[in-house]
Formats: sequence, structure tokens, C-alpha cells
Amino acid sequence: NAGVTQTPKFQVLKTGQSMTLQCAQDMNHEYMSWYRQDPGMGLRLIHYSVGAGITDQGEVPNGYNVSRSTTEDFPLRLLSAAPSQTSVYFCASSYHGRGQGGYTFGSGTRLTVV
Amino acid sequence: DAKTTQPPSMDCAEGRAANLPCNHSTISGNEYVYWYRQIHSQGPQYIIHGLKNNETNEMASLIITEDRKSSTLILPHATLRDTAVYYCIADNTGTASKLTFGTGTRLQVTL
Repeated sequence: NAGVTQTPKFQVLKTGQSMTLQCAQDMNHEYMSWYRQDPGMGLRLIHYSVGAGITDQGEVPNGYNVSRSTTEDFPLRLLSAAPSQTSVYFCASSYHGRGQGGYTFGSGTRLTVV
Repeated sequence: DAKTTQPPSMDCAEGRAANLPCNHSTISGNEYVYWYRQIHSQGPQYIIHGLKNNETNEMASLIITEDRKSSTLILPHATLRDTAVYYCIADNTGTASKLTFGTGTRLQVTL
């Protein structure tokens, strides 16, 4: 049981490049989310999904796309990288249902856009 | 989701109980209180959650006041490894699908 796996762990992009941050979980969790964390700040929600085929926007969705074709995977796409997207990105998953335990987070992807 | 207020920082001696307060005076009846912590730059770690009853697990205890306007996370015997930022979150989905993280409390455990 690997939990939530994020790849890559580190990435440097040039402005305007695109890339996909991968997230996979093996716990059969229905809910998955992407957060970004800027230095000295709390996490902010980018996109989330309540099940395969269903996604929705969070607090800061601009510049990012997501899809959820399977329960296990929830990739985050940066369409045209900008320096403002330099951040640490966390993927998380959880069970559906009121009162269930909280999110399990991945170890993060540290992205630098130059 | 209800707004939560936490002190920005706290200190605790190793071996002593760490009591981290959280104010959520605007919480609604169906909002759970979740606690997470983030050690250095790792991904946040779920600690505990509750609705109105006190809860305890292997990591911590959660005490929620009867009016539900505040809560306290208790780490019974703090160790150096408990040094982290602790986040208190009120979430009305019950599943924490859209967590709103504030800036949390930075707990420093010292010798």
C-alpha cells in the first residue's frame, strides 16, 4: 500500500513550457485534490474531484487543467508555465462520506519556473 | 466553511502536554473540525477530527466545547518530532473534500 504517490519530486521549467504533475493513489479513495503551497503560506486548493469523470475548480484554478479518467489517477497539467506558478504542489485523496477520516497527502512536487 | 482562528506560534517542553487552541465561533451544526499538521516541508498529515463529542486516537485528543465555538488539540506527551505547523479546519462537507487551510499554529517543542 503505497498511499499517494507524486511524480516528479522536483522540476524546473522555463516560462511558457507545459508539463503534467502525476498523482496516483492505491487506496480506492473517491476524493482527490490538488493544492499548492507558496513559501510561508497555507495550502490553497487548485482543483478537486469527487470521483472518476467528475472534477471541479478550487480557489486558484487558473493556468491548470485536470482530468480524472480512473479512480487511481489525478494528473495536474500546467498549460503554459509562469514564474507565479513556482510553488510546492500537493496531491491528496480521501474516502467519500460524512465523518470519514481526513485526506492522505503525497510528499509534494517542488516546481520552479524560470 | 467557518473561519478558524489559531495563535501563530506556541512553545512546549518535551514530555509535557501541548494544548493547541482553535476558535471557530461561526461554525455551523454540520461542520466537522479537522486537525492536520505539517512537519517542515512534508505533505500535511491528518491527525483527528470531530463533530461535537471529544475524540481520542493514538496521536492526539480533540476537545470540543459544548457550544462548538472552540476546540483544543492535545498532544499528551510532546516530543521533538511533534514540532510542526498545526492547522485547524472547519469543514461542512464531512469528507474534507475542499479543505481551506489557514496559516496554522507553529508548535516548537524544546528540550
